[in-house]
Amino acid sequence: AQSVTQPDIHITVSEGASLELRCNYSYGATPYLFWYVQSPGQGLQLLLKYFSGDTLVQGIKGFEAEFKRSQSSFNLRKPSVHWSDAAEYFCAVGKTGTASKLTFGTGTRLQVTL
Amino acid sequence: DTAVSQTPKYLVTQMGNDKSIKCEQNLGHDTMYWYKQDSKKFLKIMFSYNNKELIINETVPNRFSPKSPDKAHLNLHINSLELGDSAVYFCASSQSIGGGASYNEQFFGPGTRLTVL
Repeated sequence: AQSVTQPDIHITVSEGASLELRCNYSYGATPYLFWYVQSPGQGLQLLLKYFSGDTLVQGIKGFEAEFKRSQSSFNLRKPSVHWSDAAEYFCAVGKTGTASKLTFGTGTRLQVTL
Repeated sequence: DTAVSQTPKYLVTQMGNDKSIKCEQNLGHDTMYWYKQDSKKFLKIMFSYNNKELIINETVPNRFSPKSPDKAHLNLHINSLELGDSAVYFCASSQSIGGGASYNEQFFGPGTRLTVL
């Protein structure tokens, strides 16, 4: 069965500092990987996704993520964090089939200090 | 022009009541989903419908009954509500796999916060 681990429950960074959120997955085949962001009281917004090809993927809001098959990781990065990036971040792995079933990690809460 | 919408946004009710949450998508997708996010923010899939047919049913109590009157709607009816049902429920939609695509991303609604007293 597929699973996703986000080892960091809560991360605090200063505005302007770089950010890396960790994600490890377990899946028996080629993974379809996603990062979603959830702002307080809001729904989920897709930041970026990896299906195949270039292992470094670019997303919205200046985020990028790198797929490393050897480490079963898909870490999210941003070179310079803005205060508006404070939110909950979810990594997810998709399982193909008739429906695209998503399994989510437990999330990482990002706090940004000014 | 909301892509995936849910009503109501907030729902407060007493234990034992029956309630429904509605979801509509205008993206032309043929697959819809319900997810539950608990108090610890953990998101877990509950159901999925493809062309009005149930295709994913993840160990959910039978007090929960999804209904899909057409491809654009997926409603969630909950009978005999319990305290543990308090959560945020998210609807999502995607296009089913096919036409050369191996996976299609899901678009999420804004969520419905259900509080059972």
